[in-house]
Amino acid sequence: DTAVSQTPKYLVTQMGNDKSIKCEQNLGHDTMYWYKQDSKKFLKIMFSYNNKELIINETVPNRFSPKSPDKAHLNLHINSLELGDSAVYFCASSPGGMGNTEAFFGQGTRLTVV
Amino acid sequence: AQSVTQPDIHITVSEGASLELRCNYSYGATPYLFWYVQSPGQGLQLLLKYFSGDTLVQGIKGFEAEFKRSQSSFNLRKPSVHWSDAAEYFCAVGPLTGNNRKLIWGLGTSLAVNP
Repeated sequence: DTAVSQTPKYLVTQMGNDKSIKCEQNLGHDTMYWYKQDSKKFLKIMFSYNNKELIINETVPNRFSPKSPDKAHLNLHINSLELGDSAVYFCASSPGGMGNTEAFFGQGTRLTVV
Repeated sequence: AQSVTQPDIHITVSEGASLELRCNYSYGATPYLFWYVQSPGQGLQLLLKYFSGDTLVQGIKGFEAEFKRSQSSFNLRKPSVHWSDAAEYFCAVGPLTGNNRKLIWGLGTSLAVNP
């Protein structure tokens, strides 16, 4: 059973389109995250939700909007996609705040904007 | 400012050789310390973590790391590297307490293993 699953694994789309990435965790964790990993492997946290409540919202363009319908799901919607949005997006979850507990990562969604 | 430095961007070792990946951090208090591994095309997996107690921690896949407070370091070691260890390795630190519990990540060290 996959602990943290993201769909799709690959996403190729044109500039200006709107797309969503879905994430689900079956670990019973309270906290979920979205990370962006650029071409140089740099990991940047974007958002964090705890029990459906937004607790971390880094400096991310308004075109990115997370949605957490329940604590097992955290989706990421991106409007008006730009070339610079091309990256690998990772979803993760942890029992509590990531700072003191192990985080479990999904396999990533490789987004390519053309 | 809080930061994590992994001085080595890329390391190549021969299979069977020993390995040490360096990690230095700058943090205002005693942090939690982590090492994660990212295999090609995969997500990140926790190798080991240090919260308190014995400063030498054992992790999965034969890895260990030692917390040295005086040097603000948390270096990762493995006595004998296997070809399957080729991957990207990330060091991260996080706060013990507080509401803003996010990790600070290093830029990673890419490990290549020669047969």
